[in-house]
Amino acid sequence: GNSVTQMEGPVTLSEEAFLTINCTYTATGYPSLFWYVQYPGEGLQLLLKATKADDKGSNKGFEATYRKETTSFHLEKGSVQVSDSAVYFCALLSNAGGTSYGKLTFGQGTILTVHP
Amino acid sequence: NAGVTQTPKFQVLKTGQSMTLQCAQDMNHEYMSWYRQDPGMGLRLIHYSVGAGITDQGEVPNGYNVSRSTTEDFPLRLLSAAPSQTSVYFCASSLTLAYGYTFGSGTRLTVV
Repeated sequence: GNSVTQMEGPVTLSEEAFLTINCTYTATGYPSLFWYVQYPGEGLQLLLKATKADDKGSNKGFEATYRKETTSFHLEKGSVQVSDSAVYFCALLSNAGGTSYGKLTFGQGTILTVHP
Repeated sequence: NAGVTQTPKFQVLKTGQSMTLQCAQDMNHEYMSWYRQDPGMGLRLIHYSVGAGITDQGEVPNGYNVSRSTTEDFPLRLLSAAPSQTSVYFCASSLTLAYGYTFGSGTRLTVV
């Protein structure tokens, strides 16, 4: 079945540091890939997405590139802020037929804390 | 346009009680899903629906029922609450899969 693996957390950085959160996936066909962010006490918000190989999703300074050859979708930001402290989830959405169609599969989440 | 609305936000149940978590969306989205979020386990799919009258099981469906009589509503029923169902529950909807899912703000359920 489909699965998503995220790097172990938590991740603690100083403000203006470079961020990478690794995400790899296993899926049949050509899934769409997403990063969601969850701020404390809130629901999940879509951060960025990519729907095909070599697509780069970007939003709020965050970027991720859909790499089919390495089945990866790593999240990066060049300079993090305290306000970026949140939990980040990598997810895939199966577009293939069968029992996985339309179902969003999540990684376990990575807690990011940014200190001033 | 209220997005995805979940009620209640908080609920405490006694073991064996039943209840319904409500989810409504006003965006005419065909796809709707229920997830539970537990520490260290990410979000796990409970049930989902691709349109009115069509539902399917997810990864962890036991102890939960759903129905989809209208496009707007997708209630989740706990038949006989157990402490293992203590969790945060999220409802989500999508118009087209390429855009991903929009999530509600969640229901925090405690079963004692």
